[in-house]
Amino acid sequence: QSALTQPASVSGSPGQSITISCTGTSSDIGTYNLVSWYQQHPGKAPKLIIYEVNKRPSGFSSRFSGSKSGNTASLTISGLQAEDEADYYCCSYAGGSAFVVFGGGTKLTVL
Amino acid sequence: EVQLLESGGGLTQPGGSLRLSCGGSGFTFTNFAMSWVRQAPGKGLEWVSTISSSGDYTRYADFVEGRFAISRDNSRITLYLEMSSLRAEDTAAYYCARGEWLFDYWGQGILVTVSS
Repeated sequence: QSALTQPASVSGSPGQSITISCTGTSSDIGTYNLVSWYQQHPGKAPKLIIYEVNKRPSGFSSRFSGSKSGNTASLTISGLQAEDEADYYCCSYAGGSAFVVFGGGTKLTVL
Repeated sequence: EVQLLESGGGLTQPGGSLRLSCGGSGFTFTNFAMSWVRQAPGKGLEWVSTISSSGDYTRYADFVEGRFAISRDNSRITLYLEMSSLRAEDTAAYYCARGEWLFDYWGQGILVTVSS
């Protein structure tokens, strides 16, 4: 069982927007603004798409945005495109012995 | 261009040992903490271990239970993960990643299979 909870799957049609939630606790997401999100296509290494809750790496699409409220972080993808179909993972600094925790991953299907 | 390249994976029996290596290029290796993250077949990402830029502190996931040791040789621009007392549940692709709580660059991953 993963430390952070994500929905197993989400889907949307091209052009639509979707949001993936990531629920943690007051020991991780609730305390630290150190939430990151990763995109992973099949057979490929993960790729950083959001860091520190809502920052995008240089050159990365503005269709991806992040937010946080309490113990829950969210990733929103607007204007869905076929190439967005992938697995998405949230991650948070947790301090203490846990240090870093990942979510179980969400499979995004573009219909 | 930042590149990370893992090596050293393979098949080993339960109780066996393996040493993974990760060579970095395209960035100043000594300026960055480095980590290992693994992914069991068909499963999600799982943080394994992190080492500071100078190597003076290390952190491990609870499941490591003293079986793994992370280290780095900054003169060789190489990160290591020494794994012993391997279990079937350690079977996974092991990724080397730059950073300590956000991972901005990843290697392509190296497969470790623990099976009799």
